[in-house]
Amino acid sequence: ETGVTQTPRHLVMGMTNKKSLKCEQHLGHNAMYWYKQSAKKPLELMFVYNFKEQTENNSVPSRFSPECPNSSHLFLHLHTLQPEDSALYLCASSTNMGGIHSPLHFGNGTRLTVT
Amino acid sequence: DAKTTQPPSMDCAEGRAANLPCNHSTISGNEYVYWYRQIHSQGPQYIIHGLKNNETNEMASLIITEDRKSSTLILPHATLRDTAVYYCIVSLGYGNKLVFGAGTILRVKS
Repeated sequence: ETGVTQTPRHLVMGMTNKKSLKCEQHLGHNAMYWYKQSAKKPLELMFVYNFKEQTENNSVPSRFSPECPNSSHLFLHLHTLQPEDSALYLCASSTNMGGIHSPLHFGNGTRLTVT
Repeated sequence: DAKTTQPPSMDCAEGRAANLPCNHSTISGNEYVYWYRQIHSQGPQYIIHGLKNNETNEMASLIITEDRKSSTLILPHATLRDTAVYYCIVSLGYGNKLVFGAGTILRVKS
């Protein structure tokens, strides 16, 4: 148990579906992140939220829509995805102390397959 | 952020020390060296980080050369459960924009 819980662990969706990934952290952190890990590629940072405000959008297509209702919860809403969006989506959290961040704590990810 | 260079893979015998090297020759004075690992089917796990001095915790030791252009992560007594991809990352720590590379695949063998 990492303190960062992601659901579902596995998701298969068609290109016309709408689904959401959920992340919850129980560590009292105030920053949350979405990373994407495609096969044979390094992790790619997608979004960063500090104190519920989005501070980083790493040129992510609009078919991925993040939502951070509070410091403990993070969602990634998915719609009209492409097969190349199939990947492991990882959530992470940290404590932002005046700009200096504690090390990241990651969840175990959601394995997404787009058919 | 400075880039890092790591060997693509390494083998280590169970019970022996695993020494994982990392080159970061363009590191700037206020950048930290972080190590994470990713066991198959899990998210990355933080191991250790340092700025100038050598660091040790319950998981590993981090040795940083005096010129800070390279470092070594040491797992003192590797077990089969240490088989994972190990990532060496250099970052300011501000904004925590960690950039992950390909890492080193460490295989611990019995």
